[in-house]
Amino acid sequence: DAKTTQPPSMDCAEGRAANLPCNHSTISGNEYVYWYRQIHSQGPQYIIHGLKNNETNEMASLIITEDRKSSTLILPHATLRDTAVYYCIVRPRMYSGGGADGLTFGKGTHLIIQP
Amino acid sequence: GAVVSQHPSWVICKSGTSVKIECRSLDFQATTMFWYRQFPKQSLMLMATSNEGSKATYEQGVEKDKFLINHASLTLSTLTVTSAHPEDSSFYICSARGRLNQPQHFGDGTRLSIL
Repeated sequence: DAKTTQPPSMDCAEGRAANLPCNHSTISGNEYVYWYRQIHSQGPQYIIHGLKNNETNEMASLIITEDRKSSTLILPHATLRDTAVYYCIVRPRMYSGGGADGLTFGKGTHLIIQP
Repeated sequence: GAVVSQHPSWVICKSGTSVKIECRSLDFQATTMFWYRQFPKQSLMLMATSNEGSKATYEQGVEKDKFLINHASLTLSTLTVTSAHPEDSSFYICSARGRLNQPQHFGDGTRLSIL
């Protein structure tokens, strides 16, 4: 998997948009960008993923730069419950019979939402 | 949708005991399930990947005779930690994936403490 770089921690005020950056400068053309988060003492929660187009769902938006070397996860109106470690993971598109597809977790960004 | 249930959530047992952890996909068929381990203040590390009806594929350094994985149906995988010792104490988390290239969805983890 391509390596990703994230800031170790970030603060954001409750009600504001939280913008979490991720650098993946060695990403290749068939690799997706996935975002997960882990709230303390729980399993990771899937947030969103994308290949090259920006994506939006009920939880967040994912903005991928045109050269695909970086991306930003946006939580539009952060709440205290969004405090968690956020992981940006790059993973190749899998083909049938083509290798293991477990996720490689880095250290992530510890996002703290301040009241 | 995409709910993964893991049981038990917490187990404490004596050294030398074998412990079984169950992972179930509740509302989808999981062709592939994954087992991860997380030590305090560290990221998740993939232990093994299992496809329904096949033998599990273990990551380097994970003892297959110690961590027995069974994935006999499309909704259930089990991890048995055999003859557990204090160094096996950790947070064990499973995930499940439906079709190829769909996101993995995680259970809430099992905290295993060996005395």
